[in-house]
Amino acid sequence: SYVVTQAPSVSVAPGETAFITCGGSSIGSKRVHWYQQKPSQAPVLVIHSDDDRPSGIPERFSGSNSGNTATLTISEVAAGDEADYYCQVWDGSNEHLVFGGGTKLTVL
Amino acid sequence: QVQLVESGGGLVKPGGSLRLSCAASGFTFSDYYMGWVRQAPGKGLEWISYIWTTRSGYTNYADSVKGRFTISRDDTKNSVYLQMNSLTAEDTGVYYCARRAGYCDRITCYIYMDVWGRGTTVTVSS
Repeated sequence: SYVVTQAPSVSVAPGETAFITCGGSSIGSKRVHWYQQKPSQAPVLVIHSDDDRPSGIPERFSGSNSGNTATLTISEVAAGDEADYYCQVWDGSNEHLVFGGGTKLTVL
Repeated sequence: QVQLVESGGGLVKPGGSLRLSCAASGFTFSDYYMGWVRQAPGKGLEWISYIWTTRSGYTNYADSVKGRFTISRDDTKNSVYLQMNSLTAEDTGVYYCARRAGYCDRITCYIYMDVWGRGTTVTVSS
């Protein structure tokens, strides 16, 4: 089955840009989706299909995917962006959804 | 607005059973695939099951729950269910109901969960 990996944590100063990565074998051939989860809250979809933003998600959130790495980019990071971020792909071999282990974003 | 509300969580002994429910509103429920995702305490998200529309009835399960959990839906009640049997401590966590979105083309699949409920907590302990 397909495996995606994420760094456990990323730290960034307010106003800077955060890069959260999701690694997997030839992940560029898949479509990657990103969820934000704040403490004690349900996940929220922030990027789908590599780089599409659902309505209501700020333009500061963007995504890219190539080779073996997909990236969620959050520009002009604010304290309200502190959360766990999960990537997710579709494993066509068994038709399962696969989540990464999550990355905790800390705003310094 | 689009909303999913889970219920049915609680404390259950190892080996016991529990049935979770998820009530949907604000969209044409029968048109959508639905699923369940869980999160163990302090851990990440784990997809566990989804069900296609009633017309096809197709279901799929994560290996960790296959043979113990059963997903079903009732379009007349705009609800999806998760019957959980033979529960163990490893099944403890928050269970989220979610709406499955996306599609597959000839090249790849764009499958994700676009709407989530707030979750219901399941605790398996003696």
